[in-house]
Amino acid sequence: AQKITQTQPGMFVQEKEAVTLDCTYDTSDQSYGLFWYKQPSSGEMIFLIYQGSYDEQNATEGRYSLNFQKARKSANLVISASQLGDSAMYFCAMREGQTSYDKVIFGPGTSLSVIP
Amino acid sequence: DTGVSQNPRHKITKRGQNVTFRCDPISEHNRLYWYRQTLGQGPEFLTYFQNEAQLEKSRLLSDRFSAERPKGSFSTLEIQRTEQGDSAMYLCASSLGWGAHGYTFGSGTRLTVV
Repeated sequence: AQKITQTQPGMFVQEKEAVTLDCTYDTSDQSYGLFWYKQPSSGEMIFLIYQGSYDEQNATEGRYSLNFQKARKSANLVISASQLGDSAMYFCAMREGQTSYDKVIFGPGTSLSVIP
Repeated sequence: DTGVSQNPRHKITKRGQNVTFRCDPISEHNRLYWYRQTLGQGPEFLTYFQNEAQLEKSRLLSDRFSAERPKGSFSTLEIQRTEQGDSAMYLCASSLGWGAHGYTFGSGTRLTVV
């Protein structure tokens, strides 16, 4: 069963506008972590932001914020003031449980294009 | 520290040949991961090491795949008797500890089996 769903294969946003990338996840664990990664055309995966399932505040890192709605099992990424350099693939990912087995699974990704 | 290093960057091989990839993680990172990514997809988990111990191995990793991390330092991923379906980007990542630490990924090794 798909654990991470990203329903937007491609998104366009005007430069300097904000954009929301959707992510829903499926887990029966109470303790888990959610991540967002960026993959530019160069191919290297870049860690952006993390949200723990017990964190009460939504995570923020600069222009990135994570809109965490636990009851809906959603973890949307919000990018404010989009820049041309934000054009890339974006992957939502999840680590289940609080075991020493540190496996992160990734969603299928959303391609973001920033238009000047 | 130069980050996670993967070699080679590209590998073209004939079907049936064996290939080996190398990953050098960030020196203080005790955890090392291998993922496979095909075009248009997210990375798929292959295997995970904590220090030198291989703690988990995906069912995606058939008997033709083997990974090692001797002495908990660099890691190698070997594919024996390559098939065209093995063509993909092989990504290595490392991390220190658990929790809010994201992984640091290398640039990957792109394998093409002809």
